[in-house]
Amino acid sequence: GQNIDQPTEMTATEGAIVQINCTYQTSGFNGLFWYQQHAGEAPTFLSYNVLDGLEEKGRFSSFLSRSKGYSYLLLKELQMKDSASYLCAVTNSNYQLIWGAGTKLIIKP
Amino acid sequence: NAGVTQTPKFRILKIGQSMTLQCTQDMNHNYMYWYRQDPGMGLKLIYYSVGAGITDKGEVPNGYNVSRSTTEDFPLRLELAAPSQTSVYFCASSYAENSYNEQFFGPGTRLTVL
Repeated sequence: GQNIDQPTEMTATEGAIVQINCTYQTSGFNGLFWYQQHAGEAPTFLSYNVLDGLEEKGRFSSFLSRSKGYSYLLLKELQMKDSASYLCAVTNSNYQLIWGAGTKLIIKP
Repeated sequence: NAGVTQTPKFRILKIGQSMTLQCTQDMNHNYMYWYRQDPGMGLKLIYYSVGAGITDKGEVPNGYNVSRSTTEDFPLRLELAAPSQTSVYFCASSYAENSYNEQFFGPGTRLTVL
């Protein structure tokens, strides 16, 4: 089967750094997405990795290791507005997006 | 560009009733998707379409039907509503189904079946 694992919930402090991990086992790999979803809203695109390494975009970075089936999303200088769920999704060999259940990130002042 | 729009935003149905969830996109995307998201869970694919006139089942299609008569519209039909269909429904679209298939989501429809 195909599976994506993420922690269910994480807590961090405003101004700090947090790393959200994602491991995947899918039938093939054609890219990995991270989406942000605020409570009661639709998911919105954050980042995309298809090659190994780190992609940086402002306060957010995403890392991929294809050999390990592993990715992480790194959020720096946390702000209260970063409180949301973060969804990891993998494009498999059939170009279908397989979604993880998401990690709820709680930011405390 | 309105992006992906969905109607209605909220709906309460009685068991056995039927309804259609509307979805429209104005980005000229070929691919469209319907997902459901239960509380605390990830997105489950119900149906998808790769172009007008072509639809296919996703992971959880039972109890639902779709049609794609135009590029813009992809309605989802519930024929006999059941409490298990209480969920948030998201419609999404993407330009192409390749490795970079970023999906754009509508605001969702919150459906309760009592």
